[in-house]
Amino acid sequence: GQQLNQSPQSMFIQEGEDVSMNCTSSSIFNTWLWYKQDPGEGPVLLIALYKAGELTSNGRLTAQFGITRKDSFLNISASIPSDVGIYFCAGNSGGSNYKLTFGKGTLLTVNP
Amino acid sequence: KAGVTQTPRYLIKTRGQQVTLSCSPISGHRSVSWYQQTPGQGLQFLFEYFSETQRNKGNFPGRFSGRQFSNSRSEMNVSTLELGDSALYLCASSLSSTSEMETQYFGPGTRLLVL
Repeated sequence: GQQLNQSPQSMFIQEGEDVSMNCTSSSIFNTWLWYKQDPGEGPVLLIALYKAGELTSNGRLTAQFGITRKDSFLNISASIPSDVGIYFCAGNSGGSNYKLTFGKGTLLTVNP
Repeated sequence: KAGVTQTPRYLIKTRGQQVTLSCSPISGHRSVSWYQQTPGQGLQFLFEYFSETQRNKGNFPGRFSGRQFSNSRSEMNVSTLELGDSALYLCASSLSSTSEMETQYFGPGTRLLVL
C-alpha cells in the first residue's frame, strides 16, 4: 500500500528559529495536506496543496507540493511556544473515494 | 458553525466486549471517514461513508464496521475487542468527497482503552 515517509521524527528548537519538515512518497499524490495535532485533540488542517509545484502560505507557515508529486515540505518561520505539537503530512491519490494516507508525524518542541 | 463532534470522548472496555462510537459531521457535510490512531502505526484509514453507503475501506478486520444515517451522522462498531484495539478513533467529515479539492476536518476523537 501507499506509504508516506515523514522526517524528522522529532525536533527540539529554540523560540524564534525556523523549522522545516518534509514528506516523501513512493507513489504519486494529487493532494497534499498538512495537519497539526495537539495532545488529546484531533488533527487541525494547516495547509492544503492541490497542484504540483504549488507554494502556499498560511501566516508563518509555508508548504510546497513537489514537482514530482511524490513529496511536500512544511516550513515554520520564527517559531513560538504554541507551535508545539505533532505535525502530520497527508496525501490523497485522487478519485472519488476519499482516503488520506498519513505520515508518522513530526513532534515539535519549542524551548522558550 | 459547529465542528465535528464525537461521543464519547473516553471509553474503557474489556477484551471480548463490543463498542459503538458516534460521530456528527459538520453541518452540510455528507462524507464521514474514520481513522484509528496508535503510537506504533500512526493514523490509519478505517472506512468512509457517503449517503449512507460505505464507499471506501481500509485494511482492518471485519470486527470493525460502521454505518451512516440519513442525517449524515455516523457510528462505528468494534466487536470482540482486543487489547490492540486501544487507540484514538478519529472521525473526519467533508462536503462530499467527490472532488480532490475537498479537505477533511477532524473531530477531537474517542480514546478507547481495552483492558
